[in-house]
Amino acid sequence: DAGVIQSPRHEVTEMGQEVTLRCKPISGHNSLFWYRQTMMRGLELLIYFNNNVPIDDSGMPEDRFSAKMPNASFSTLKIQPSEPRDSAVYFCASSFVVGQGNNEQFFGPGTRLTVL
Amino acid sequence: AQRVTQPEKLLSVFKGAPVELKCNYSYSGSPELFWYVQYSRQRLQLLLRHISRESIKGFTADLNKGETSFHLKKPFAQEEDSAMYYCALSGSGSEKLVFGKGTKLTVNP
Repeated sequence: DAGVIQSPRHEVTEMGQEVTLRCKPISGHNSLFWYRQTMMRGLELLIYFNNNVPIDDSGMPEDRFSAKMPNASFSTLKIQPSEPRDSAVYFCASSFVVGQGNNEQFFGPGTRLTVL
Repeated sequence: AQRVTQPEKLLSVFKGAPVELKCNYSYSGSPELFWYVQYSRQRLQLLLRHISRESIKGFTADLNKGETSFHLKKPFAQEEDSAMYYCALSGSGSEKLVFGKGTKLTVNP
């Protein structure tokens, strides 16, 4: 298994453009998480899904950010319009949850986003 | 509110020396605590969790509820331990993880 797959690995765009980040979780996992990492704020949870349903999006910074999970093997994080302060590394992680509680999360390699 | 504090951004030790990476947390209930590690050019991965009470790669961490701490310790550091270490917390029954800002450990030869 290749683990969690993210694309693109690097994205450079101009302010105002739409950015779409993609994630393929590990096959069989039922929870998916999107994180943002910056020097100032560290690693922050943006949103997570369980069985393709958004459970908690309280970390999504504003309406410019949206995330979808149309099926168990694919998720997107979209920023529209993008701003320079969105520049960060975005991580996707997945886990297999049985019952309640936290299980090991497996992280993707991240997408480094630069908004000029 | 849930919060995780790692007071040291950088920590440098010599090979063979003991190492302790500090982690303090704020949570009103019964938390689950974790240490994740990111080696150079590798993905962030779980190192250990307090409920398993095991030693991984020589590292141990004990949850101290009185001091609200979960410090990571290793008696004899190795060069291959050089990495970024993140302490994380989840509330009881929750899937969400709250991460500290991380400590970069460098083990010098």
